[in-house]
Amino acid sequence: AQSVAQPEDQVNVAEGNPLTVKCTYSVSGNPYLFWYVQYPNRGLQFLLKYITGDNLVKGSYGFEAEFNKSQTSFHLKKPSALVSDSALYFCAVRPDSNYQLIWGAGTKLIIKP
Amino acid sequence: EAGVAQSPRYKIIEKRQSVAFWCNPISGHATLYWYQQILGQGPKLLIQFQNNGVVDDSQLPKDRFSAERLKGVDSTLKIQPAKLEDSAVYLCASSFTNTEAFFGQGTRLTVV
Repeated sequence: AQSVAQPEDQVNVAEGNPLTVKCTYSVSGNPYLFWYVQYPNRGLQFLLKYITGDNLVKGSYGFEAEFNKSQTSFHLKKPSALVSDSALYFCAVRPDSNYQLIWGAGTKLIIKP
Repeated sequence: EAGVAQSPRYKIIEKRQSVAFWCNPISGHATLYWYQQILGQGPKLLIQFQNNGVVDDSQLPKDRFSAERLKGVDSTLKIQPAKLEDSAVYLCASSFTNTEAFFGQGTRLTVV
């Protein structure tokens, strides 16, 4: 079965430190990969995507993600965390052969001042 | 560019009542999704439309939930009758066929 895993329910980082939110996937073919962020009482906001090309993709709010085909991972990163980055982060994958989006369970990111 | 519009933002109903949610996707987006999100969890796909045809409704509880997308633009999601466990946020999203989905603000449903 196709799946997306976010192995950490919660990630705690001090403000100013680098952050990583992990995502691994198990899907067929060459998938499209996405990261979304959800602030409290808000809808999901698109952050960035990988479709093809450079393995390091840059997105909104200074976030970037690295696609690693051999490890089937798409980890979200930011060089210097802000308190305002505290939110719920979701990884999603679209297998190349159909329209479905497969979602991870989400990771709560807490940035402490 | 206008985003995905949803209404209402909040709704409180008693169990066994009916409720309807409305979604207007981004202009030109062929794909429309309805998701259910329980607090603290990831979104669960209820139904996916491609234009006005259903692509996936495998997780839609069809005995009580229904959705339509007439003319391939706006969509409505209905619950009849509602149960306590239907309390959740209902998210509508739209996309071009194989690109990122854009989400509305959601409708928070409370069933009492």
